[in-house]
Amino acid sequence: AQSVTQLDSHVSVSEGTPVLLRCNYSSSYSPSLFWYVQHPNKGLQLLLKYTSAATLVKGINGFEAEFKKSETSFHLTKPSAHMSDAAEYFCVVSDRPGNTGKLIFGQGTTLQVKP
Amino acid sequence: EPEVTQTPSHQVTQMGQEVILRCVPISNHLYFYWYRQILGQKVEFLVSFYNNEISEKSEIFDDQFSVERPDGSNFTLKIRSTKLEDSAMYFCASLGQGTTGSYNEQFFGPGTRLTVL
Repeated sequence: AQSVTQLDSHVSVSEGTPVLLRCNYSSSYSPSLFWYVQHPNKGLQLLLKYTSAATLVKGINGFEAEFKKSETSFHLTKPSAHMSDAAEYFCVVSDRPGNTGKLIFGQGTTLQVKP
Repeated sequence: EPEVTQTPSHQVTQMGQEVILRCVPISNHLYFYWYRQILGQKVEFLVSFYNNEISEKSEIFDDQFSVERPDGSNFTLKIRSTKLEDSAMYFCASLGQGTTGSYNEQFFGPGTRLTVL
């Protein structure tokens, strides 16, 4: 069965410093992986997706993630945090090949950005 | 840009009452999903729907829950007799083929916050 583990429940950074949100996955096939962001009282917005193309994936708002099969990781990074990045971030894996199955969410990481 | 919409944004109901949560998926999408997020917990899958029938459901999706696509545009989630533990944010999502013909990401609506008193 597919699963994702987000290694940090809470990350705090200062504005202008790098962001690293860690995610490990488990999958019996070559997975499709996603990062979604949820701002307070808002819905889920796709940041980026990996669907077996380039291993370094660029997303919106300066975020990127690298798929590392050898480490079963899909960490989310951003070179310089902005106050507006404060939100809940979810690492997500698709349940089956072809992406028509359900999504399996990690527990979420709360990103706090301090001025 | 097309988007998934959900109504109402917030629903308050008494325990034991029936509620219907409504979603309008993106118009050319064929796969539809409901997820829920209990406050402080992760997002959980409830049910998926394709070709006018349920394709998969979770253990949460018991006989109190049902889904319907009544008119070719709306996609509804009904809870027949709400319990306190049904209080959660409910998200609808839809999935369609991209320009290359493959299925990529699910598009989520803004959610309906259900409060059961």
